Amino acid sequence: NAGVTQTPKFRVLKTGQSMTLLCAQDMNHEYMYWYRQDPGMGLRLIHYSVGEGTTAKGEVPDGYNVSRLKKQNFLLGLESAAPSQTSVYFCASSQASGGDQETQYFGPGTRLLVL
Amino acid sequence: GEDVEQSLFLSVREGDSSVINCTYTDSSSTYLYWYKQEPGAGLQLLTYIFSNMDMKQDQRLTVLLNKKDKHLSLRIADTQTGDSAIYFCAEGGGYQKVTFGIGTKLQVIP
Repeated sequence: NAGVTQTPKFRVLKTGQSMTLLCAQDMNHEYMYWYRQDPGMGLRLIHYSVGEGTTAKGEVPDGYNVSRLKKQNFLLGLESAAPSQTSVYFCASSQASGGDQETQYFGPGTRLLVL
Repeated sequence: GEDVEQSLFLSVREGDSSVINCTYTDSSSTYLYWYKQEPGAGLQLLTYIFSNMDMKQDQRLTVLLNKKDKHLSLRIADTQTGDSAIYFCAEGGGYQKVTFGIGTKLQVIP
């Protein structure tokens, strides 16, 4: 049981390049989330998904797209990377909403540097 | 909208107690959480408290909730160097409503 895994761990991009961050969970969780963590800003929700085939915008969705084609995977895409997207990206999953099922399990993070 | 506030930094000596404070604004929050983030890692749930409780104790951790003042605290007894990390307060009541604080960096001095 690996929990939540993220690929890659670290990436350097040039402005305008595209990339996809992969998140996978093996806990059969319904809900998945993408956050970015920046110094002095805490965690900010980018997009989330409440089930396979569904996605929704979070607090800071601009410049990102997501897909949840399979229940266990949640992909975060950057179509045209900008230096402002330099950050640490965390994926999380939870069983459901409400109660202790709302507990989010986090991946180890992906460090992205956009030059 | 919802807002969760925490102080940025706390320094304590090894063996002392640490108290990390948090205030939140959403009175409809059902659960309040404390997460821990160690360097280079993701967040990990430490403990949580249901909004109709005043206190929860779990080994060295004590959570106090003052719902009237919307104030949450985490007390770590006998703080160890391994407790050095960033601690996040979070309030929740639905998947899209989990709001995290900015995080308090705890430094434990040997």
